[in-house]
Amino acid sequence: AQRVTQPEKLLSVFKGAPVELKCNYSYSGSPELFWYVQYSRQRLQLLLRHISRESIKGFTADLNKGETSFHLKKPFAQEEDSAMYYCALTGFRDGAQKLVFGQGTRLTINP
Amino acid sequence: GAGVSQSPSNKVTEKGKDVELRCDPISGHTALYWYRQSLGQGLEFLIYFQGNSAPDKSGLPSDRFSAERTGGSVSTLTIQRTQQEDSAVYLCASSTTGTPFYGYTFGSGTRLTVV
Repeated sequence: AQRVTQPEKLLSVFKGAPVELKCNYSYSGSPELFWYVQYSRQRLQLLLRHISRESIKGFTADLNKGETSFHLKKPFAQEEDSAMYYCALTGFRDGAQKLVFGQGTRLTINP
Repeated sequence: GAGVSQSPSNKVTEKGKDVELRCDPISGHTALYWYRQSLGQGLEFLIYFQGNSAPDKSGLPSDRFSAERTGGSVSTLTIQRTQQEDSAVYLCASSTTGTPFYGYTFGSGTRLTVV
């Protein structure tokens, strides 16, 4: 079964400090991983996809198949990073694109 | 349209009444999804439509929930005999299909409050 675990419901760091939001997954096939973000009073939006190997707003995430993790990292947090973050996966094997989401981590950046 | 549109944005209903939530996906997106977002529960998958295939209803929590998609475009999620535990934000998303997969585009949601 597909499962995404975000162990931290709440995470608070100071501006300028590094931030890491943890995501672990369970999937026997070849998953595709995503991070979505929801800023206050805005809709849920895609932040980054692992296959793109991109950095968006200073965030990066590396897929570690050995540890089945896809942690989201940023070296220097900004106040505007405060938001709800969701990790999600989909499996190519299923031939469909149904995303399974974690429960989310609320990130607060303190000034 | 330019984005995924959902209506109404807010709905307050009395326990036991039926409600209909509407989603208008991005033009050309063949896949449409409904999720429910509750405090502390994350995003819960409800139902998924892809083209002319039979919908994946595996996430619907009870037979009070149903959804349809007419003409491969607009979708309506219906909740019959609403209960207080149905209170949540109902999110609709759409996407292209096939690979590479670019992820979903979400609507702004319908906040349902059952009193």
